Amino acid sequence: GQNIDQPTEMTATEGAIVQINCTYQTSGFNGLFWYQQHAGEAPTFLSYNVLDGLEEKGRFSSFLSRSKGYSYLLLKELQMKDSASYLCAVRDGDYQLIWGAGTKLIIKP
Amino acid sequence: DADVTQTPRNRITKTGKRIMLECSQTKGHDRMYWYRQDPGLGLRLIYYSFDVKDINKGEISDGYSVSRQAQAKFSLSLESAIPNQTALYFCATSDPQTGENTGELFFGEGSRLTVL
Repeated sequence: GQNIDQPTEMTATEGAIVQINCTYQTSGFNGLFWYQQHAGEAPTFLSYNVLDGLEEKGRFSSFLSRSKGYSYLLLKELQMKDSASYLCAVRDGDYQLIWGAGTKLIIKP
Repeated sequence: DADVTQTPRNRITKTGKRIMLECSQTKGHDRMYWYRQDPGLGLRLIYYSFDVKDINKGEISDGYSVSRQAQAKFSLSLESAIPNQTALYFCATSDPQTGENTGELFFGEGSRLTVL
């Protein structure tokens, strides 16, 4: 079956670094996305990986290992506004996305 | 103004009623989607459309129908609403993945539907 696993909830401290993991088992692979979703709002695109390695975008980085079916999202210099859910999704063909249930990140002062 | 707009943003209705959720976009994308989001579950695709004449069922289309009135408009209908259709519904658009374009989704603000 197709499956995306990520932790349900994580807590971190303002100014620190946090890593959110995502493991996947899908019939195909055509890219992995991370989205941020604040409570009651729409998901917004954060990052995209299709090749192995690290993609850096400001305070956020995303890593992919296709052989291990594994990705992580790294958030540095955490700010209170980073409190949100982070959604991992794998595209297994032209358009079909398989979504994880999301990781709720709580930032404490 | 938002690039992808959904109406209504909130709706409470009763079992058996017909409900329509509307979506319009100014991004010029051909591809449009309807998803539902439930607590503890990933987003699930209800229907998708790659152009005005192309409508396709997603993984959970039973109990729903759609209409693509124009490139910019894609409506979702619940013909006879039931309580387990209570959820947060999102419309999304995208370009196809080509070259530098990741094909990421652009979401509307969401429509929260409660069926009593």
